[in-house]
Amino acid sequence: SQQGEEDPQALSIQEGENATMNCSYKTSINNLQWYRQNSGRGLVHLILIRSNEREKHSGRLRVTLDTSKKSSSLLITASRAADTASYFCATGFSSNTGKLIFGQGTTLQVKP
Amino acid sequence: DVKVTQSSRYLVKRTGEKVFLECVQDMDHENMFWYRQDPGLGLRLIYFSYDVKMKEKGDIPEGYSVSREKKERFSLILESASTNQTSMYLCASSILDNQPQHFGDGTRLSIL
Repeated sequence: SQQGEEDPQALSIQEGENATMNCSYKTSINNLQWYRQNSGRGLVHLILIRSNEREKHSGRLRVTLDTSKKSSSLLITASRAADTASYFCATGFSSNTGKLIFGQGTTLQVKP
Repeated sequence: DVKVTQSSRYLVKRTGEKVFLECVQDMDHENMFWYRQDPGLGLRLIYFSYDVKMKEKGDIPEGYSVSREKKERFSLILESASTNQTSMYLCASSILDNQPQHFGDGTRLSIL
C-alpha cells in the first residue's frame, strides 16, 4: 500500500547549493514526516508537520505541506557534503497505532 | 536520547533455519515496528505492536511472526528462512501515535 511517491529519485548538487525534494501522497493524513538515512544505517527523524500546518523550519531545513495538492517538499539550504544521504517522507494517519507509510526516498549527493 | 538497539548488524543464516531478530528500546515507548528495506522498494512494514502482547500485521507479514512479551523488546521471527527474505531489517519505536519513530541501525540478513 504505497502512499508516498518522492521526486526526484536521485539528486546531485554542489556544496552550497539548495536541494529540494518533493513528496506526494494519496489519502488524507494526520501528519507528514521526513527522515534521513546515511548509507548502511537506520533512519533518523528530521521534522514532523501536521495536517493543519503549512510550513515548518528546523535549522537549514524547511518543510512545506499542501494538503489540497496532497504534497510536501523538503528544502535543504546551503547544502554540505555531510548532507549526502537518502531522504524519505512518511505519512501518518488518525489512528491509534502510530503506523507510518514511507515513500521510496530521494538519494541526495552533495559534491564538495 | 532514545536508543533502539538491534542485536546484530550482520547475520548469515541458511535456508530453512528459524531466525530471531531482536530489538530493544530504552524509552518506555508504546509502539514498536519491524520493517524490511529493499532497493527500489523503500521501507515496507512487516508487523507492529502498540502494547505488550499486542501485534498487528503490516503490509508484508507472510513468512514472519513477532513476539512482544515485555514492553521494551520486540522480536521478529522468520519461521523457516528463505532466500527471498535476504534484506535489511529495521526496527523502530515511537512513544505515541503521530509522533516520530526512532530507528535502530538495522540488521543486514543474508539467507544462503
